[in-house]
Amino acid sequence: EDQVTQSPEALRLQEGESSSLNCSYTVSGLRGLFWYRQDPGKGPEFLFTLYSAGEEKEKERLKATLTKKESFLHITAPKPEDSATYLCAVPYRGTGFQKLVFGTGTRLLVSP
Amino acid sequence: DAGVTQSPTHLIKTRGQQVTLRCSPKSGHDTVSWYQQALGQGPQFIFQYYEEEERQRGNFPDRFSGHQFPNYSSELNVNALLLGDSALYLCASSLRTGSSYEQYFGPGTRLTVT
Repeated sequence: EDQVTQSPEALRLQEGESSSLNCSYTVSGLRGLFWYRQDPGKGPEFLFTLYSAGEEKEKERLKATLTKKESFLHITAPKPEDSATYLCAVPYRGTGFQKLVFGTGTRLLVSP
Repeated sequence: DAGVTQSPTHLIKTRGQQVTLRCSPKSGHDTVSWYQQALGQGPQFIFQYYEEEERQRGNFPDRFSGHQFPNYSSELNVNALLLGDSALYLCASSLRTGSSYEQYFGPGTRLTVT
């Protein structure tokens, strides 16, 4: 069974203090890795898709990178509005249709 | 461009009752997936609908059933509710024939079972 593990579970940063979140996965034949942002009580908001090792994507203060076994979400000079839970997921394709397998997320809190 | 919409936003039910949740996919999408998210956990896959048929199912009992309509919208039905069914229910839409596996989520329905 494909598995996704995220670390740390929770991260507390001061505004402007850069850091990285980790997502490691065990899948046979990676067909992409997705990052989502989720605010409390809301649905996940799509951030990035990464398809191959070495690929990088950026959006504002966020940069996602991918290796053969893990992905990192780098947060540069975060602001309080970056506080959220960040989820990563990989697609598991069975019988030609795909479901997403999620990690448990990293809860990020950025203090002013 | 309308995103994924879900209704209702919140719902309170009593143990043993039945509930129906609704979802309209993002414009242009034809596949709807449902997920259950318990507090502090990642979303867990329930099932996926395409061409009005259930195509893939996660580890959920038969109390969970669904339907997809010709306009691609979908319903999730849960019978004989248990306290453990309390969760955020998420609908996600995608395009079956696309090369991307990206799924876009709605705002969710918070179900509380008392």
